[in-house]
Amino acid sequence: AQKVTQTQTSISVVEKTTVTMDCVYETRDSSYFLFWYKQTASGEIVFLIRQDSYKKENATVGHYSLNFQKPKSSIGLIITATQIEDSAVYFCAMREDPNYGNEKITFGAGTKLTIKP
Amino acid sequence: GALVYQYPRRTICKSGTSMRMECQAVGFQATSVAWYRQSPQKTFELIALSTVNSAIKYEQNFTQEKFPISHPNLSFSSMTVLNAYLEDRGLYLCGASSAGGAETLYFGSGTRLTVL
Repeated sequence: AQKVTQTQTSISVVEKTTVTMDCVYETRDSSYFLFWYKQTASGEIVFLIRQDSYKKENATVGHYSLNFQKPKSSIGLIITATQIEDSAVYFCAMREDPNYGNEKITFGAGTKLTIKP
Repeated sequence: GALVYQYPRRTICKSGTSMRMECQAVGFQATSVAWYRQSPQKTFELIALSTVNSAIKYEQNFTQEKFPISHPNLSFSSMTVLNAYLEDRGLYLCGASSAGGAETLYFGSGTRLTVL
């Protein structure tokens, strides 16, 4: 069964600095997809960035980037030049290859990020 | 871009009554719709996964009799919480993706259910 673990419950950093959030996952599949979402104070869940397991290059979107370490089953999220509005709860998620019969997306427990002025 | 609208945002119902929530995909074809419930501790529970023209797959501890889902076309899905009780409280989220399991799941804003 797939499992996603985020060990950091909360992180607090000063505005304009860089923050890294950790995520490790478990899967028996050789092909899978990894996602990061953030949940705002209103409850809205926003997709941020994804990494396909077969891609070696780390994904980058705006000031979000990923540190994909496949041998360690790790997919860290890096946010550079943080802003106050980046304060939210960040979720790591994994979807195994549906060709193997499983389309379910499993989420981690979330990391609450607070950006201080 | 891909957008998912979910409504109502909040709802309050009396214990033992039912409430329905709806999800609308805009800008893409919602071939698959996943309904989740988020607990106060922020953990996500998958209720069911619906794919157009296929049977709806319910997760363990969730049944069609309690959470009937409709997914009639590529832009709309609804879920009803029947006979809601206190343990059904939480934030219900619908996530939609287009064809192909590799596609990203886009979420609506959620429906927060309060049961009195």
